[in-house]
Amino acid sequence: SQKIEQNSEALNIQEGKTATLTCNYTNYSPAYLQWYRQDPGRGPVFLLLIRENEKEKRKERLKVTFDTTLKQSLFHITASQPADSATYLCALGGDFNKFYFGSGTKLNVKP
Amino acid sequence: DAGVIQSPRHEVTEMGQEVTLRCKPISGHNSLFWYRQTMMRGLELLIYFNNNVPIDDSGMPEDRFSAKMPNASFSTLKIQPSEPRDSAVYFCASSLALRVAGVLEGTYEQYFGPGTRLTVT
Repeated sequence: SQKIEQNSEALNIQEGKTATLTCNYTNYSPAYLQWYRQDPGRGPVFLLLIRENEKEKRKERLKVTFDTTLKQSLFHITASQPADSATYLCALGGDFNKFYFGSGTKLNVKP
Repeated sequence: DAGVIQSPRHEVTEMGQEVTLRCKPISGHNSLFWYRQTMMRGLELLIYFNNNVPIDDSGMPEDRFSAKMPNASFSTLKIQPSEPRDSAVYFCASSLALRVAGVLEGTYEQYFGPGTRLTVT
């Protein structure tokens, strides 16, 4: 079965720096990959989708890359702010609209 | 739109009791998902429906779990009998799935409800 790995350790960075989160996967060839943000006590909120034939996708301060050879996606937040502190989940899909979620990485942006 | 609505927000029950979780998806969405989230296992997909029809229930842990979607605006997840290991946050999500000539259109963005925190003692 598919396996999705996100760093379970929290990522602590200073405000203004670029945060980079990693999503690795095995035993799967997703056609699509999504990134979500989850705040405590709330459901995940969609951020970006990238397709297997796309190398990079940007949205404001967010950038996502998708390397199907390395089986890896990187999620970048530039000029990070304390308000970016949250848990970020990657989700892999391809079978109709069924997505498998990683366990998430907690980001702490310190002022 | 009010977004995905789930009820109850919190449920505390005793082992062996029946639990029913409810979800109202966003109007116009044709796909509905039930997830369970725990610290140990993260966010697990239990079952999903497309146009009110269950497409994949392979994530349902065992026969104690069942889900229904009698119409486009309502779904239930039932646990009978409940056990302490069922304690988790249960999320419902909906999306609009559009596939034209086999190609995904749009982002398949899933809109999550606020979740139901279930505690089984």
